[in-house]
Amino acid sequence: EVQLVESGGDLVQPGGSLRLSCSASGFTFSSYALHWVRQAPGKGLEYVSGITRNGGTTYYADSLKGRFTISRDNSKNTLYLQMSSLRPEDTAVYHCVNQVAGTVYWGQGTLVTVSS
Amino acid sequence: QAVVTQEPSLTVSPGGTVTLTCGSSTGAVTSGHYPYWFQQKPGQVPRTLIYDASNKHSWTPVRFSGSLLGGKAALTLSGAQPEDEAEYYCLLSYSDVWVFGGGTKLTVL
Repeated sequence: EVQLVESGGDLVQPGGSLRLSCSASGFTFSSYALHWVRQAPGKGLEYVSGITRNGGTTYYADSLKGRFTISRDNSKNTLYLQMSSLRPEDTAVYHCVNQVAGTVYWGQGTLVTVSS
Repeated sequence: QAVVTQEPSLTVSPGGTVTLTCGSSTGAVTSGHYPYWFQQKPGQVPRTLIYDASNKHSWTPVRFSGSLLGGKAALTLSGAQPEDEAEYYCLLSYSDVWVFGGGTKLTVL
């Protein structure tokens, strides 16, 4: 069974930084691209970032480029999202997401709150 | 970056039929966008209903179907049930970058 467990969400001040982690199990981690998707309270889904199997290529939503960095450690089955220069509008639940055989699997998410 | 558009809200009567659509600012939606449809209920993570425009999972109710229609991806619900009231999101892939639609709030009333 695919399991994705996010951690690292917290209350942070505007301009601050945070690193999210996603621990994965139930599939061959190094064989799949992975993604981060966020959902602000009461709002829709927003693609944040993606990374290929070996980490060689990364993708970002245009609005986030330069502030967020995605990475992975295939030896630890863990996906990361380094976030910097955080803004109140980055407040959201951040989900780790995997696509396997036509199914998109979602972690329960970790809440990031940007507020002074 | 592309913008994916969906109807903000739709209402369907119990037992009725409704079609939700998913358009792209870059032009026609094709199979190459690998359209997905998700259903999300309050407090839950999204659930995949349709992938690659028209493929269903074993858990997808028969009353849901996906297609490409008039340059858009479409999700048709035939025989709406009260439990189908939810938010529906489409997802399109643009050379490995995903873009979600804004979601359609479907009311069964």
